[in-house]
Amino acid sequence: QLQLQESGPGLVKPSETLSLTCTVSGGSISSSSHYWDWIRQPPGKGLEWIGTIYYSGSTYYNPSLKSRVTISVDTSKNQFSLKLSSVTAADMAVYYCARHTQDSGNFNWGQGTLVPVSS
Amino acid sequence: QTVVTQEPSFSVSPGGTVTLTCGLSSGSVSISNLPSWYQQTPGQAPRTLIYNTNIRSSGVPDRFSGSILGNKAALTITGAQADDESDYHCVLYMGSGLWVFGGGTKLTVL
Repeated sequence: QLQLQESGPGLVKPSETLSLTCTVSGGSISSSSHYWDWIRQPPGKGLEWIGTIYYSGSTYYNPSLKSRVTISVDTSKNQFSLKLSSVTAADMAVYYCARHTQDSGNFNWGQGTLVPVSS
Repeated sequence: QTVVTQEPSFSVSPGGTVTLTCGLSSGSVSISNLPSWYQQTPGQAPRTLIYNTNIRSSGVPDRFSGSILGNKAALTITGAQADDESDYHCVLYMGSGLWVFGGGTKLTVL
């Protein structure tokens, strides 16, 4: 049974870098069939795709966030990570990690973690 | 910038049928966009209902179905139940590894 668990600091200050890690269990992050995603949801709003990484390190980013986003993978720890720089209040959201299969919109979701942005 | 459109809200009577749509600000949705639908209740992570236009995710009741209607993707709920009252999100694949979510539809069953 695949499980995805987000972890990271509970609070980020404006202008600082948000860092989150997703730990994968019940499946290998080195699977050639799967891609690993970060998706966020501001309070009361819709979902926003942030980006995707493949185990090889290939990345795909939302053009509107690309200049501030870095997604990386650590196959030895079965984890992948998100860094979002220069955060503002608009970046406050529940951040989800997820997995999808190549050529499929079947996302498997983590439970999500709320990241407040406040000084 | 591509915008994926969804009805902000919709209501259906218990036992009734409702069709939610997912469109593009410019152009038509096709199966190559891999339209997929997610259900979300307050405080919970989204749950995949339908992916790749019309494939029902494991455990999803067959009263949920997906299709392409005209130039949009559609999610139809037949025989709506009280616990179908949720937010429904769609996503479209835009190619080159990029995905775009719609703004979500809040469905009320009353």
